[in-house]
Amino acid sequence: GEDVEQSLFLSVREGDSSVINCTYTDSSSTYLYWYKQEPGAGLQLLTYIFSNMDMKQDQRLTVLLNKKDKHLSLRIADTQTGDSAIYFCAENHSSASKIIFGSGTRLSIRP
Amino acid sequence: DVKVTQSSRYLVKRTGEKVFLECVQDMDHENMFWYRQDPGLGLRLIYFSYDVKMKEKGDIPEGYSVSREKKERFSLILESASTNQTSMYLCASSSGQGSNQPQHFGDGTRLSIL
Repeated sequence: GEDVEQSLFLSVREGDSSVINCTYTDSSSTYLYWYKQEPGAGLQLLTYIFSNMDMKQDQRLTVLLNKKDKHLSLRIADTQTGDSAIYFCAENHSSASKIIFGSGTRLSIRP
Repeated sequence: DVKVTQSSRYLVKRTGEKVFLECVQDMDHENMFWYRQDPGLGLRLIYFSYDVKMKEKGDIPEGYSVSREKKERFSLILESASTNQTSMYLCASSSGQGSNQPQHFGDGTRLSIL
C-alpha cells in the first residue's frame, strides 16, 4: 500500500544539526518533498529532490535519498529557534496520481 | 511567488449548517486540492481537481463536495456540518499535468462545528 512514515517528535539543542528521517513505499516515485509548517500556518515547500539524485544541498538544508532503502532525510545545520515547526515528508505516488504526505515530525529546539 | 488564499482563517458553524470554504490561487495553476489536517493523522486528501469543472474524490470525500467553476477558485462544501468535521482545512495548488509538480498551500482555515 501507499505509506510515508516519519517519527512524530525530535528535540535538538540550538546550534546542533537536526536530522529528520522518512521512509516511503512507492519505488517509482519521481519527486520527494519536504514541507515546513509553522504554528497556525499552511505548509511551505522547503525543498524537493528528483529520484535520480542522491543528495541536494541548499544553504543549511541537506536532503539525502537512499532509493534502495526508500529512505529520505532532511538535515538542518546550525539549528535555530526559527526552525521550530512540523516537517512533512511527501512523495508523488505515480499509480494514484497524487502526493502522499507523512504525518509530520515536530521539531523542538532547546537552549 | 505563488499565492494561495483561503477566505477565512477561523470559522465557527453549527451542526447541520451548510458550510462553504473558499480557495483562490493567482498563478494559473491547473491543479487544486483540499486536505484536512488532524493531530496524529497528518494530511488527508478530501477532493482534488485537475481542470475547470472537473473533480475527483480523494481518500475521505464523505460528507463533502467541491465546486470548480473557474480555474482560480476551488470551493469545499460541507453539505450538513457535523462535529467530526471540526478540523484544519488546507487548500493547495500546483501546475502542470498530474501530480508531479510541488503543491503550494494556503494558510489554512480552522473550522469548528458546535
